[in-house]
Amino acid sequence: QKEVEQNSGPLSVPEGAIASLNCTYSDRGSQSFFWYRQYSGKSPELIMFIYSNGDKEDGRFTAQLNKASQYVSLLIRDSQPSDSATYLCAMSEHSGNTPLVFGKGTRLSVIA
Amino acid sequence: GAVVSQHPSWVICKSGTSVKIECRSLDFQATTMFWYRQFPKQSLMLMATSNEGSKATYEQGVEKDKFLINHASLTLSTLTVTSAHPEDSSFYICSARGAVDNSPLHFGNGTRLTVT
Repeated sequence: QKEVEQNSGPLSVPEGAIASLNCTYSDRGSQSFFWYRQYSGKSPELIMFIYSNGDKEDGRFTAQLNKASQYVSLLIRDSQPSDSATYLCAMSEHSGNTPLVFGKGTRLSVIA
Repeated sequence: GAVVSQHPSWVICKSGTSVKIECRSLDFQATTMFWYRQFPKQSLMLMATSNEGSKATYEQGVEKDKFLINHASLTLSTLTVTSAHPEDSSFYICSARGAVDNSPLHFGNGTRLTVT
């Protein structure tokens, strides 16, 4: 059974702070890792993906992957109230024909 | 970036009627599309994997005769909720991945179904 674990939160951070979202997974065969953001009542939108160990930065977002520890995280710098949403961690094997395995999501609240 | 279009965005229907939801990949070919359902304040639940030109693969507990999936082309998959009941009211979201390895999953905007 492939599992993805996330702390459900809510995670509350003050505006301007760094928000750190964490995810662990059980399937060592996972190769692709994704972070999605979902606002209430909306469908998820892709924020970042990472395939190799280490850090990947895109604007205020940094994804970190450690395959040995089966751990992936998302850092949001200079958090804004508009970042308040549920963040979903997901992963899959290489093939585009396989569904992603999603975590249950972490609710982030950025306090102005 | 890749775009997945889903229609309609919301629908209200009477109990016993059927509702069809369309999902199109606009700028890439999707041999496989995925249908999810999400109840309020709950996580995404994969319903089925839709394969172009073949039968869909349904997740455990999802009735294939109730949720009919057709994937007739590389850019279009449809989900029909047959004989809808109030308990089918939910947020239905389609998604698609490109055929290239490691391609991310792109979601449509979702369809909010309310069965009265």
